[in-house]
Amino acid sequence: GQNIDQPTEMTATEGAIVQINCTYQTSGFNGLFWYQQHAGEAPTFLSYNVLDGLEEKGRFSSFLSRSKGYSYLLLKELQMKDSASYLCAVDDSNYQLIWGAGTKLIIKP
Amino acid sequence: TAGITQAPTSQILAAGRSMTLRCTQDMRHNAMYWYRQDLGLGLRLIHYSNTAGTTGKGEVPDGYSVSRANTDDFPLTLASAVPSQTSVYFCASSSGETDTQYFGPGTRLTVL
Repeated sequence: GQNIDQPTEMTATEGAIVQINCTYQTSGFNGLFWYQQHAGEAPTFLSYNVLDGLEEKGRFSSFLSRSKGYSYLLLKELQMKDSASYLCAVDDSNYQLIWGAGTKLIIKP
Repeated sequence: TAGITQAPTSQILAAGRSMTLRCTQDMRHNAMYWYRQDLGLGLRLIHYSNTAGTTGKGEVPDGYSVSRANTDDFPLTLASAVPSQTSVYFCASSSGETDTQYFGPGTRLTVL
């Protein structure tokens, strides 16, 4: 079956670094997306990985290992505005995204 | 640029009534999607359309119907609402089926 696992909730301190993991088991793989969703708002695109390795975008980086079915989102220099849910989604080659339930990140001062 | 708009923002609906959620995009994207988001379950695909004139069923299509008469609009209809359809509904679009999806602001629907 299709499955994406993420931790339900994480807590981190302002200014620190946090890593949010995502593991997946899907029938196919065309790429992995990370989205950010603030409470009461729509998801917004953060990153896309299709090849193994690290993609860096400012304070946010995303890593993919296709052989391990594993990705992580790395957030550096955490700010209070980074408090949000982070959604992992896999394109399973059937032209649909399979979504994880999301990780709620709480930033403490 | 408006991107994707949805209407209404929120709605309370009596069980058994019908309702259409509206979604319009101005990005000339070919593909459009309807999701529902429930606490702890993540986004679940209801219906999708890869191009104007075609639609397909997602993971949870029962009780919902869609149409895609043109590129810009993708309405979602609940023919006879039930309380289990209480959810937040998001419309999304992408230029192609495998491209990044962009989301509308959502419609919060409560069925009583």
